[in-house]
Amino acid sequence: AQSVSQHNHHVILSEAASLELGCNYSYGGTVNLFWYVQYPGQHLQLLLKYFSGDPLVKGIKGFEAEFIKSKFSFNLRKPSVQWSDTAEYFCAVNARGTYKYIFGTGTRLKVLA
Amino acid sequence: EAGVTQFPSHSVIEKGQTVTLRCDPISGHDNLYWYRRVMGKEIKFLLHFVKESKQDESGMPNNRFLAERTGGTYSTLKVQPAELEDSGVYFCASSQLGTGGIYEQYFGPGTRLTVT
Repeated sequence: AQSVSQHNHHVILSEAASLELGCNYSYGGTVNLFWYVQYPGQHLQLLLKYFSGDPLVKGIKGFEAEFIKSKFSFNLRKPSVQWSDTAEYFCAVNARGTYKYIFGTGTRLKVLA
Repeated sequence: EAGVTQFPSHSVIEKGQTVTLRCDPISGHDNLYWYRRVMGKEIKFLLHFVKESKQDESGMPNNRFLAERTGGTYSTLKVQPAELEDSGVYFCASSQLGTGGIYEQYFGPGTRLTVT
């Protein structure tokens, strides 16, 4: 069965610190990969997605993620976080040819001003 | 363009009662999905509609849950009778019709269900 692991459940950073959130998945076939963010009181929003091509994907608000197929990983990065990045971040995977998403448990990020 | 909307935003019911959640997808999106997040755990897939047809209901927990999408527009998810373990946030999402999930899913704000 497919699964997604997000290793960091809670992360606290100061503004301007660099961010890397881990995401690993288990599935042997081709996958589509996503990072979603949920800001306090808001709905889930897509940060970035990977379907094919360049494994380094750039998303909104300065976020990027790198797909490393050999490691089954899709880590999210941002060089300098802001207080407004405080949110919960979800990694999701879907097997190519299917529709349902498999989510990780989420990472709560708190950025201190 | 209006996003995915869900109603109600919160619902508190007693064990044994019935609750119906509603989801209005983005106009023109034929794919509609329901997910659930139990507190502290991952967001889990419940089911997938294409227009009015159920394509995949492998995630539905049991027969106390009934989802419908009459006319291929909005969808309802009924829980009858509700149990304590049904508490959580129920998310609806929609996407365009395309080959094998190639279109991203847009999520609604969720309905927080509390069963007491």
